[in-house]
Amino acid sequence: GESVGLHLPTLSVQEGDNSIINCAYSNSASDYFIWYKQESGKGPQFIIDIRSNMDKRQGQRVTVLLNKTVKHLSLQIAATQPGDSAVYFCAESTGGFKTIFGAGTRLFVKA
Amino acid sequence: NAGVTQTPKFRVLKTGQSMTLLCAQDMNHEYMYWYRQDPGMGLRLIHYSVGEGTTAKGEVPDGYNVSRLKKQNFLLGLESAAPSQTSVYFCASRRGGLGIDGELFFGEGSRLTVL
Repeated sequence: GESVGLHLPTLSVQEGDNSIINCAYSNSASDYFIWYKQESGKGPQFIIDIRSNMDKRQGQRVTVLLNKTVKHLSLQIAATQPGDSAVYFCAESTGGFKTIFGAGTRLFVKA
Repeated sequence: NAGVTQTPKFRVLKTGQSMTLLCAQDMNHEYMYWYRQDPGMGLRLIHYSVGEGTTAKGEVPDGYNVSRLKKQNFLLGLESAAPSQTSVYFCASRRGGLGIDGELFFGEGSRLTVL
C-alpha cells in the first residue's frame, strides 16, 4: 500500500547551518511529491514540490532532491533561521487525487 | 480572499453525540479533503471530493460521513462520536483536473475533544 515515512522524528540545528530532512516513500507509482511546513497551531503550508520526472528542484533557500531508485526524498534548507522551526512533512500523490502524508520531522533551530 | 475556513475551531462532545464540521473555500477549487492529525503523527486522509456532488473514502473513513452539495463547501459529520475521534481536523482544497497536480491549501484546523 501507499506509505510515506521519515528517517528522523526530530532534528536540531544551529542557526545559520544547513538542514537536511529525509523522507522515504514506498509507492513506486507516486509521481508528485510535496514538502509542507507546519507551525504550532496552524495548518500545513506548501514549501516546494517536485515531479517524478525531475531529481532536483530549488526554491528560495530550499532544495528538494528526489532519488527514485531508492525511493528517497530530501528537503535541504540553507542558512537555517529561527523562523524555520516547525514540523516538516513530506507527502506523495499518485494520479492527482489523494495526497498521503508522512509522520513529520520536528526541526529545532538553536540560536 | 479568506482561503480555507473551518468552523468551529474548537468543540467538546460527549460520547455518542453527533456534530458537523464545516469547511468553506473561496478559491474555486475542485478538490477538497478532510484530514485528521493526532499527536506525533502525520495527517491521515478521512474523505475527499473531486467535485460537487462527489465524495470518496480515504485512509480512515469509518465513523465519518461527508457531503459536497456546493462546490465551495465540504462538510464532515460524526454520527456517534467516540473518544478515539479526539483529534485536530484539517480541511484542504486544491485545483483539480485530469493530470493536474498542485499543492493543498489548508484551513487552520478544528480541535475536537470527545469525552
